[in-house]
Amino acid sequence: SQQGEEDPQALSIQEGENATMNCSYKTSINNLQWYRQNSGRGLVHLILIRSNEREKHSGRLRVTLDTSKKSSSLLITASRAADTASYFCATDASRNSGGSNYKLTFGKGTLLTVNP
Amino acid sequence: DAGITQSPRHKVTETGTPVTLRCHQTENHRYMYWYRQDPGHGLRLIHYSYGVKDTDKGEVSDGYSVSRSKTEDFLLTLESATSSQTSVYFCAISRGSGGNLETQYFGPGTRLLVL
Repeated sequence: SQQGEEDPQALSIQEGENATMNCSYKTSINNLQWYRQNSGRGLVHLILIRSNEREKHSGRLRVTLDTSKKSSSLLITASRAADTASYFCATDASRNSGGSNYKLTFGKGTLLTVNP
Repeated sequence: DAGITQSPRHKVTETGTPVTLRCHQTENHRYMYWYRQDPGHGLRLIHYSYGVKDTDKGEVSDGYSVSRSKTEDFLLTLESATSSQTSVYFCAISRGSGGNLETQYFGPGTRLLVL
């Protein structure tokens, strides 16, 4: 079963508005990552936040992590039509630091539509 | 873009036939992954590799096998394709370091239709 669950499943906004997507997960994690997928393409990494971090910024992206609530949020400010894509959170709950268990678990994604 | 290619990019096959998908990387990354993506299910891990000849099962491994005889290539085989294996398949690579998994880089995907 999925470790991360995004909310909402779909979001439609106007250009210039902010978009907020949430991710909840079930077990303790090493880090949480957000990815973007344009239609018909592979996923592209956006940002990684480690379990000991609470907030991280990258350009127009702001990610928060609340490990006590097992949740994260991705905020895209001043959205553009080009931000239209699906956004996925992925959690790394690997327990084996020796290297044989490195894998991410992805959520089902939030489809963001930014209308011009 | 990370140096990842997948072949073929599109394939139509019939039920019961074997199918092999190839993932090739030029980054010399240790970890390689195969995912399938289906509507309503997001991205699910099929198998992954943490080194040459070292592989392990993911969430949805039934009906699939993998092989990694050299660092740059990771093959996914559907032994006898079924219609339920119609999907988009993505390969990903990662360095992995320390106690944390670093980011994954994805290939362009392979669209497989099993009739």
